[in-house]
Amino acid sequence: EAQVTQNPRYLITVTGKKLTVTCSQNMNHEYMSWYRQDPGLGLRQIYYSMNVEVTDKGDVPEGYKVSRKEKRNFPLILESPSPNQTSLYFCASRTGGAYGYTFGSGTRLTVV
Amino acid sequence: QQQVKQSPQSLIVQKGGISIINCAYENTAFDYFPWYQQFPGKGPALLIAIRPDVSEKKEGRFTISFNKSAKQFSLHIMDSQPGDSATYFCAASMTDAGNNRKLIWGLGTSLAVNP
Repeated sequence: EAQVTQNPRYLITVTGKKLTVTCSQNMNHEYMSWYRQDPGLGLRQIYYSMNVEVTDKGDVPEGYKVSRKEKRNFPLILESPSPNQTSLYFCASRTGGAYGYTFGSGTRLTVV
Repeated sequence: QQQVKQSPQSLIVQKGGISIINCAYENTAFDYFPWYQQFPGKGPALLIAIRPDVSEKKEGRFTISFNKSAKQFSLHIMDSQPGDSATYFCAASMTDAGNNRKLIWGLGTSLAVNP
């Protein structure tokens, strides 16, 4: 089944404790992206990657890092999480020529 | 700065009725307008999309109406069913100055269809 897989689905952590949210897609998509979803603010792009080793900032990159060492994986790293990063996070991918995204099921992160 | 304005924020419709969600945009460089459907606990899923060279696109009970001169587009759900209860996002896409495809999202509409 073609899909984007995120892990974990739920995560509660403490301020300052580094964490990684993994994202993997099995569709050979070139383009991958991370979004956060907050009530009243919709979906905001954090980082995106156009291909292996090519990443760029989205609209809200502060406090996040990403890497794209393999085409299928695009992990999101929070080096020092803070409570304002409590949110619902989505990874998404698409082919270079297509405009429609395939989204993962989300990771609900709570930073206390 | 919200480049894609979506309304209403929430909508309640009776089963069998028509649900209408509206979006407006400002940037005429947008060239692709998708709608996404999101169920609780799931990621958004592409529902239907339109390009500005057509005024309407229909897929089953879902129709996009597009008004290029008014810079508005809308989603119509005919014969709305309780299973359509979800959050709907409109979006607009363009190629930016760096030759990247950029997707700008509306803030979403929570639709509840009463049985």
